[in-house]
This record gives sequence, C-alpha cells and structure tokens, in this order.
Amino acid sequence: DAGVTQSPTHLIKTRGQQVTLRCSPKSGHDTVSWYQQALGQGPQFIFQYYEEEERQRGNFPDRFSGHQFPNYSSELNVNALLLGDSALYLCASSSPRAGGLETQYFGPGTRLLVL
Amino acid sequence: SQQGEEDPQALSIQEGENATMNCSYKTSINNLQWYRQNSGRGLVHLILIRSNEREKHSGRLRVTLDTSKKSSSLLITASRAADTASYFCALRLNSGNTPLVFGKGTRLSVIA
Repeated sequence: DAGVTQSPTHLIKTRGQQVTLRCSPKSGHDTVSWYQQALGQGPQFIFQYYEEEERQRGNFPDRFSGHQFPNYSSELNVNALLLGDSALYLCASSSPRAGGLETQYFGPGTRLLVL
Repeated sequence: SQQGEEDPQALSIQEGENATMNCSYKTSINNLQWYRQNSGRGLVHLILIRSNEREKHSGRLRVTLDTSKKSSSLLITASRAADTASYFCALRLNSGNTPLVFGKGTRLSVIA
C-alpha cells in the first residue's frame, strides 16, 4: 500500500518564476491538505482539497493556488515566487471513510529553494 | 495565536533516559496530536488525545492532556538514538475536517 507521494523532491527556482508541486494521496484517501514549513518552524496550513474543490484555506496570498484531480491527486501552484517562499512543502492526505479525518498522513515533502 | 508552543525548543539526552516535552496552547481544542519529523522530511503521526481524555499510551510513548491548564506533555521512555527527531504538537480546534495548527517543535537529540 503506497503512502503519500510527492514530486519533485527538490526544486530550485528564481524570483518571479512559477512552480507546480504534485501529490498523490494514500490509497483510499480523498482529501488532500498542503502545508508550508519554513526552516526551523512548524508546518503552516495552506489549503485543503476535497471533491476537486478548495474547502478550506489558511492565511496565504492568492499566489498560492491548487487543484485536485478526479483520482484525488493534487497540485500546488505558486506564482511570482519570492525568496520567502523557500520552504519544505508538505502534502497530507486523509479520508472520512478510511478511518476518519483526524489523522493525517504526510508525504516526504518537496524542498523549494528560491534564489 | 492559536498554535501550540512546545517547550523546550531543544533537548539532548543519553540513550536509555526518558525525554519529556511539553505543549501549551491558548484556545479550546477538539483534540491534540503529536507528530515526529526526521531530518526535515515528512511528519509521522504518533498519538492523538481528545479533549475529554487525560492520558494515552502507545508503546514507549505517554501523552497527557490537562485542558484546565491548556497543556500537554509527551514522554518517551527508554529513549533510543533512533528517537532523534523534531517533535510537534498539532491542535485540532474543532471537530471534523478543520486543519491542524502546528507549533514550532522540540528538537530531540538522543546520544548513544
């Protein structure tokens, strides 16, 4: 049973560029949440997708957008990258049917460096 | 701020000793969860304690919750070098699918 997978593992971009990160949830999960973790900090909630719609959103600007596909996989897009967007981006999956929404399963993350 | 605050920020102990880390928060919660993160990788769920529970055990882990003091503690007994990681408390403020609110974590180093 595959867990949560994310791609790519590492990424280097320059300011002003755009980036797309990808996540495949754990088998049987239909809800995907994205978090940003700056160095030395805890993860901060960006948004959550369920049934291909953004259901909840944290305090992040509109430069951060996402998408969920019919197979429940998800993308995180960040436009007009800033140096401060350098972080580890974590994807987490959960499901109301597969044991509840309370426990989230995290992927290994994508480390983004903006130069 | 709604996030939890872990204490201490860093902890270094010898293998075989017990490690205790604490989490304090300021708002009411539905449940509190502890996660482990190795070397900046993905987080692993350790244990969940609901607001109406006071103590839970899982293997070498013991978690307590005191809602009157708005605090929780995570005890790792008989620590091992493999327990070296960052530990985060995460708050679930409401029931259902509300997002987790993480603290900044405690960095635990277990020296062999």
